[in-house]
Amino acid sequence: KAGVTQTPRYLIKTRGQQVTLSCSPISGHRSVSWYQQTPGQGLQFLFEYFSETQRNKGNFPGRFSGRQFSNSRSEMNVSTLELGDSALYLCASSSVERDNEQFFGPGTRLTVL
Amino acid sequence: AQSVTQLGSHVSVSEGALVLLRCNYSSSVPPYLFWYVQYPNQGLQLLLKYTSAATLVKGINGFEAEFKKSETSFHLTKPSAHMSDAAEYFCAVRRAGGYQKVTFGTGTKLQVIP
Repeated sequence: KAGVTQTPRYLIKTRGQQVTLSCSPISGHRSVSWYQQTPGQGLQFLFEYFSETQRNKGNFPGRFSGRQFSNSRSEMNVSTLELGDSALYLCASSSVERDNEQFFGPGTRLTVL
Repeated sequence: AQSVTQLGSHVSVSEGALVLLRCNYSSSVPPYLFWYVQYPNQGLQLLLKYTSAATLVKGINGFEAEFKKSETSFHLTKPSAHMSDAAEYFCAVRRAGGYQKVTFGTGTKLQVIP
């Protein structure tokens, strides 16, 4: 099976712009979670989608949003980018059959200038 | 509520020495526990997981961890460190049963000295 893929791998934006990141889960996985990873804050949970519904949400401002499509692919959007949004954004997919073990993609490195 | 504490944000060991990375958890119900490894500019890779079967769990790359309920610990060990083990390691916890959110620790960077 192909692993979790994330596109793009690297992105450079300027403050005030918006960005959309994409995640394709492992075939058959219906749950997709998003995390922000920074040196100072570590891994922080953004949100989780299951069958096109947001099932859980972390403590991030409303500028961060996401969605999931019927094929389980997910996108996350960040509007009005701030310098502090520079981070590695990780996507993970999981299935109930595997004890919700999370399989991570390689991440998207977002740099905000 | 659930949480994970990883003791030591940086650990250094000599090549060939024992690796011990500490993880303590807090969970009001029986937990599932995980160890992940992250190499630079990559995502996280699962090393091993505890899901209430055997308390001693063996994972990939020679790593293992022991679930100790009395100590609420799930420390990661490897008898002999290799240069390729240099990476960041994350402990994670979630409650057993159905869907539950995963909570990650703050990570421990392992340095292996030749």
